[in-house]
Amino acid sequence: GAGVSQSPSNKVTEKGKDVELRCDPISGHTALYWYRQSLGQGLEFLIYFQGNSAPDKSGLPSDRFSAERTGGSVSTLTIQRTQQEDSAVYLCASSSSGWGFSYNEQFFGPGTRLTVL
Amino acid sequence: QKEVEQNSGPLSVPEGAIASLNCTYSDRGSQSFFWYRQYSGKSPELIMFIYSNGDKEDGRFTAQLNKASQYVSLLIRDSQPSDSATYLCAAYPGGKLIFGQGTELSVKP
Repeated sequence: GAGVSQSPSNKVTEKGKDVELRCDPISGHTALYWYRQSLGQGLEFLIYFQGNSAPDKSGLPSDRFSAERTGGSVSTLTIQRTQQEDSAVYLCASSSSGWGFSYNEQFFGPGTRLTVL
Repeated sequence: QKEVEQNSGPLSVPEGAIASLNCTYSDRGSQSFFWYRQYSGKSPELIMFIYSNGDKEDGRFTAQLNKASQYVSLLIRDSQPSDSATYLCAAYPGGKLIFGQGTELSVKP
């Protein structure tokens, strides 16, 4: 079956513009995660959706960042008034389990490379 | 202190040698641990997971977990140039994975 897909693969924008990044998780996966990876760095957790529960937004770096998940499937990460420090690869992952499970393999999408000029 | 810590490397080993990658974690409530491999410009892919103390072997890979010491390691036997990548350790305390910053491994022919 299809894996996690993300679009666009690359996005170049000007400072101050808003951007939307999209993630299509694996069908049937109830948990969806957004991470940010700056050049040469590890994965920085941003936000986590599990089913119909309230999302865990504890990793969002500022109120310019927001995300939603419609119908328990597709998710959109929105960055308002982009800054140069927002330049990074934004990775989405999904899994079939979440809170309360002892095992949680996350499958990653190819990422969106965001460049803010 | 970071929740999951790894040496950033780079760790350089000759082809055929054993590569040893180490990780420590701070949350004693972590239930399971994951090793992901990430090639340059690619997404992370799962290599192994472990949730019981001791060793878990899968082919050339062995994961080791010591919950008392809050220590996880990954051994790669007979290292190949194709193993050259960044290896990410992650702890799962429930909900989300907590990733370390990754260790870059270089296997020299």
